[in-house]
Amino acid sequence: EAGVTQSPRYAVLQEGQAVSFWCDPISGHDTLYWYQQPRDQGPQLLVYFRDEAVIDNSQLPSDRFSAVRPKGTNSTLKIQSAKQGDTATYLCASSLGPGTNERLFFGHGTKLSVL
Amino acid sequence: SQWGEENLQALSIQEGEDVTMNCSYKTYTTVVHWYRQDSGRGPALIILIRSNEREKRSGRLRATLDTSSQSSSLSITAAQCEDTAVYFCATDASSGSWQLIFGSGTQLTVMP
Repeated sequence: EAGVTQSPRYAVLQEGQAVSFWCDPISGHDTLYWYQQPRDQGPQLLVYFRDEAVIDNSQLPSDRFSAVRPKGTNSTLKIQSAKQGDTATYLCASSLGPGTNERLFFGHGTKLSVL
Repeated sequence: SQWGEENLQALSIQEGEDVTMNCSYKTYTTVVHWYRQDSGRGPALIILIRSNEREKRSGRLRATLDTSSQSSSLSITAAQCEDTAVYFCATDASSGSWQLIFGSGTQLTVMP
């Protein structure tokens, strides 16, 4: 079974530049999550989808971040104007459904450095 | 203990020793997930313990859950070098929608 695939693995930007992260979840998983993981901290939920619908984006900085999952499969997270504080690893995860008992399967993440 | 700490904690032990990592949480939870994260990789689930379970075992791993004290622990018996990783507990939080909230993590280093 293929795992969650993310690209790119690394990104280095100057402040003010834009960047997009792409995620391909496990086939058949209807729920997809984007987490931000600052260095030496735990993952923090940004947004999650069930199929193509956003379920919760309350932690997503809406002025600069956006996320879509148009066909309920792949997803893209975009930062419009990156800041140094956005430096972190961005993790995508998927699960069979939302809910407390569902195991999350994570990708390797995209490590972002904003200079 | 992970919860309430902003930054990673660190534990260093010798191979063959037993180790316990603790996690305390602030709100009612129905389940605690324990994940391990190897360097350069995403977290991977190792044990999931529900609120109606006080203990769960998987190989050399043992998780406990005490809902009265809102705490969970993960123990590794006879740790091996390959157990070196960051370990996170995560609990569910329902604030309109279900979310999995991760603790700050424990960096475990097992030395030969």
